[in-house]
Amino acid sequence: DTGVSQDPRHKITKRGQNVTFRCDPISEHNRLYWYRQTLGQGPEFLTYFQNEAQLEKSRLLSDRFSAERPKGSFSTLEIQRTEQGDSAMYLCASSLAEVYTIYFGEGSWLTVV
Amino acid sequence: AQKVTQAQTEISVVEKEDVTLDCVYETRDTTYYLFWYKQPPSGELVFLIRRNSFDEQNEISGRYSWNFQKSTSSFNFTITASQVVDSAVYFCALSHTNSGNEKLTFGTGTRLTIIP
Repeated sequence: DTGVSQDPRHKITKRGQNVTFRCDPISEHNRLYWYRQTLGQGPEFLTYFQNEAQLEKSRLLSDRFSAERPKGSFSTLEIQRTEQGDSAMYLCASSLAEVYTIYFGEGSWLTVV
Repeated sequence: AQKVTQAQTEISVVEKEDVTLDCVYETRDTTYYLFWYKQPPSGELVFLIRRNSFDEQNEISGRYSWNFQKSTSSFNFTITASQVVDSAVYFCALSHTNSGNEKLTFGTGTRLTIIP
C-alpha cells in the first residue's frame, strides 16, 4: 500500500506528557499537511510543508506544538505538555504541488487523561 | 473568509433509495477547488472528487454524481441506489489556491446511515 501512513494510530497519554506522531506521505508528494479533527467537526488545518520547508502555520498551532519534515520525506508532529483539550484525531495528508488533490492518512487518535 | 456549510447533520435512508447531500460554500477567490471526502468509521478521509471553479459540468461516477452550481455556490452530492457500505460521514471542502497552498476548509460533515 502506497498511501499516507500514520503512526501510532491511537495514543493515550497523561496530561503534561509529550507525544509525537509520525506521518509518511505518498512517496512522490512534495507537500505535506497536518490537520486536527475533534468529534463532530470537520478537520481543521494546522500546518503544511513544501519539501522540508514549513510554509504556513495556523493560529491553532500553539507554542506547545512543533512539526518537522527533515529531508522532505516523513514528518513528525510533537505536542509538549499535553492538555485535555488536545484530545483529537490528528490527520496527515500529502499532495503533489499544483495537482490540487490532497490525500489523507487514517489519522492518529490522541486521548489525554 | 472561506466557509463551507453542510446543513444536514444526519441523514438516514433505506437501502436502494437515492440520497443527496448538500454543500454550500463562500469564497472571494475567483479560482478555487471543491472536494468531497468520505470518512468511514476507521477514520481515514477517502477522496471522492475534486472540481475546479471553471468547470460547472456535472459529473457521474458509478452510483455517485455531483451537481456544481456556481450561481448558488453549491456543490451537492447524490448517491443513487444507496448501499449499506455508503454509510459514513461525508465532508465537503473548499481549497485556498491563491497563495499556492492547497489548504482545505471543511464543512462539519453529514453523517449518512443506510438502513438495510
